Amino acid sequence: QQPVQSPQAVILREGEDAVINCSSSKALYSVHWYRQKHGEAPVFLMILLKGGEQMRHEKISASFNEKKQQSSLYLTASQLSYSGTYFCGTEMGIQGAQKLVFGQGTRLTINP
Amino acid sequence: GAGVSQSPSNKVTEKGKDVELRCDPISGHTALYWYRQSLGQGLEFLIYFQGNSAPDKSGLPSDRFSAERTGGSVSTLTIQRTQQEDSAVYLCASSLRPGGPYEQYFGPGTRLTVT
Repeated sequence: QQPVQSPQAVILREGEDAVINCSSSKALYSVHWYRQKHGEAPVFLMILLKGGEQMRHEKISASFNEKKQQSSLYLTASQLSYSGTYFCGTEMGIQGAQKLVFGQGTRLTINP
Repeated sequence: GAGVSQSPSNKVTEKGKDVELRCDPISGHTALYWYRQSLGQGLEFLIYFQGNSAPDKSGLPSDRFSAERTGGSVSTLTIQRTQQEDSAVYLCASSLRPGGPYEQYFGPGTRLTVT
């Protein structure tokens, strides 16, 4: 039931772009994206709802493909502050299960 | 305004002892979630509350784990007869309503070490 995130880790230079994918074997109702810096609590980035539009937070955007049961997070012109571990949290079921099942995370390192 | 708070921030206990972890959600948030994060791992769902009721306890690892929420506010996660494999960071989150379009706000966590 746990969604699969890919890649597990990525290293970029500042200014480069990255894509993080989150795939589920079950029908998805919503997908939440969070970023966690080392030793800190996860921080909310955005939510994508079934039937909703692509979302954007600063230079980070995300899409939700209901047919593929997949969400992708796009980081454009990455900044040093984007470093951290990114988690997708999936809410499954046609009407939503009201709880999130999180992926294992994607560790993003941005170098100057 | 005040965010989600958790106490204690760190807890070291001996194997076999009971521990209680506390979570104070954001005022007005009806949904409260408990997660466990082992070192370098993802967030493992444990239980969630809607008000004082727990519609989904499916993530509790064993009957040694229990949780309650009182007054639609504070929640306590209790682990009885702790084992070394219980060592992890326990995170609490709250949201205005459960699921759907409601973002979860996380507390700083309680780091539990069982020796």
